[in-house]
Amino acid sequence: DVVMTQTPVSMSVSLGGQVSISCRSSQSLVHNNGNTYLSWYIQKPSQSPQLLIYKVSNRFSGISDRFSGSGSGTDFTLKISRVEPDDLGVYYCGQGTQYPFTFGSGTKLEIK
Amino acid sequence: QIQLVQSGPELKKPGESVKISCKASGYTFTNYGMYWVKQAPGQGLQYMGWINTETGKPTYADDFKGRFVFFLETSASTAYLQINNLKNEDMATYFCARYVYYGRVMDAWGQGASVTVSS
Repeated sequence: DVVMTQTPVSMSVSLGGQVSISCRSSQSLVHNNGNTYLSWYIQKPSQSPQLLIYKVSNRFSGISDRFSGSGSGTDFTLKISRVEPDDLGVYYCGQGTQYPFTFGSGTKLEIK
Repeated sequence: QIQLVQSGPELKKPGESVKISCKASGYTFTNYGMYWVKQAPGQGLQYMGWINTETGKPTYADDFKGRFVFFLETSASTAYLQINNLKNEDMATYFCARYVYYGRVMDAWGQGASVTVSS
């Protein structure tokens, strides 16, 4: 299985600040068809996960442009700019390139 | 709007079975797969497997082969997860999630169904 490693495990940021979350995969996430199926999710407290980003850098419907995804191969980053109170939660990366689907272990974002 | 509504919390004894439902609305049920994801207390997300809603064929991740069963009631746009012979380690919240084939992502999630296993 592809192992997804997220760093940091947790982080604290001031409102209005910017954060970057790293996600590394144990194998390349480039599919034979040329697509890279790396996605990002947020799980807010006591809620179910929500999709933020798919295929590395595509924002899901209704997601603010404060969220941006980048990366290639095995190294990926989620950036959140102008952090707002509603951004707190646990962020997960996930890969769908190789079966089975695997998630990172999560990054907890706290607001200072 | 797209909704996945799961059944309520369950309290079961070890060795019993539990059935969790996931009712979909707001889209054509058979056009998307249905994933199942486990979240143990205080832990991260674990992929359990998925069911092809067009064919009814289930696929199970290695850790979920044997006691776990995915099935459908297509006429009711509902997916089910049944766990047999419950063990303490099955205590968790279980999410269903709509799977988008072209993006290989889960773009809509149920609210989660908690299962407590206690003698």
